[in-house]
Amino acid sequence: DSGVTQTPKHLITATGQRVTLRCSPRSGDLSVYWYQQSLDQGLQFLIQYYNGEERAKGNILERFSAQQFPDLHSELNLSSLELGDSALYFCASSGGHKNTEAFFGQGTRLTVV
Amino acid sequence: GENVEQHPSTLSVQEGDSAVIKCTYSDSASNYFPWYKQELGKGPQLIIDIRSNVGEKKDQRIAVTLNKTAKHFSLHITETQPEDSAVYFCAATMPTDKLIFGTGTRLQVFP
Repeated sequence: DSGVTQTPKHLITATGQRVTLRCSPRSGDLSVYWYQQSLDQGLQFLIQYYNGEERAKGNILERFSAQQFPDLHSELNLSSLELGDSALYFCASSGGHKNTEAFFGQGTRLTVV
Repeated sequence: GENVEQHPSTLSVQEGDSAVIKCTYSDSASNYFPWYKQELGKGPQLIIDIRSNVGEKKDQRIAVTLNKTAKHFSLHITETQPEDSAVYFCAATMPTDKLIFGTGTRLQVFP
């Protein structure tokens, strides 16, 4: 158990809908990363937050947004969903200092039908 | 750009043999290089990492080497076992604080 909790584990929704994925980082970790992993693909960096502030941004679509709350949990919002958004979405957390270990949650499997 | 290349994409070895996975990073300012193992249906698990002030690090049967001049780093697994079968990802931190991953290597260890 990495200490990073993601909910829900599975999500099935229709095209055009909006969903929210939730991540609770390890106790004490200030930094949260979000990644997308499509079938048999690598880990595509979406966005990183540090202590409530956006720190780095990857190839995140405009339909996607995220935030980190004062209690350090993070949410990834996906809207106007398309079939191609079906993927595993992972959250990772780290202490937030440069070059510290990042630990991953078990992921949320999103299926858009 | 910010890029990490990883080779090979698949690797099959006999139990007891060694496995080597190689990565190349694009930004010379990168200074932290973790390796992750992902088993089916699970999140990536950190197995070893190396920082730019070190050339080699070993932990039991796994080792990582770093060549900063060539911007290469490699994962070495010795005495492979069937339970080593998984997808392995290398990663590198970018100056922008992003942690960028390679495309993964599917390792199969045959008994």
